Amino acid sequence: DTGVSQNPRHKITKRGQNVTFRCDPISEHNRLYWYRQTLGQGPEFLTYFQNEAQLEKSRLLSDRFSAERPKGSFSTLEIQRTEQGDSAMYLCASRMGAGELFFGEGSRLTVL
Amino acid sequence: GESVGLHLPTLSVQEGDNSIINCAYSNSASDYFIWYKQESGKGPQFIIDIRSNMDKRQGQRVTVLLNKTVKHLSLQIAATQPGDSAVYFCAELLSGSARQLTFGSGTQLTVLP
Repeated sequence: DTGVSQNPRHKITKRGQNVTFRCDPISEHNRLYWYRQTLGQGPEFLTYFQNEAQLEKSRLLSDRFSAERPKGSFSTLEIQRTEQGDSAMYLCASRMGAGELFFGEGSRLTVL
Repeated sequence: GESVGLHLPTLSVQEGDNSIINCAYSNSASDYFIWYKQESGKGPQFIIDIRSNMDKRQGQRVTVLLNKTVKHLSLQIAATQPGDSAVYFCAELLSGSARQLTFGSGTQLTVLP
């Protein structure tokens, strides 16, 4: 257990539905990252927060994706109108400054 | 190793032997590199890192080698154990990119009894 908590761990949904994932980082960590990982591939960067500010977004993050970190602590990643191509593991990671990046166990999304 | 499509490169070693996992990175501007271990159903776990001003760094049973001339990174695991079986990813940090990592495609290490 790295101290980064994600839920739900698994989500199965029908195409077109909205889903939301939550990440609770290690409490003193000011930087929070979301990555997406598909089978057989390395994690791909989605977005990054420093405290409550979203400082960088990947081109992978289409308009259907939105992430928030309202109080600079936990973060949510919402996917609207899910598509089958959204099926993946969504990983959250946190770090303090330039320190080690700690990953959560991930939230696995299956879109039917 | 490098992946092609969805197929992870694989490496099988006998328990007790040394393992060498290779990675080619793409961006000569990258100045920080990390090796991660990922077990099935879990998130990536930090193993060891190295900065671009170094060419070798040692940890407990692990050594990372960096060759900036050919943009190559390797992870050496000494006396490989069954618990080392996992997918190993290298990651590079791109300077000026808000400090986010870019991961390679991974190598599946299997330790044989």
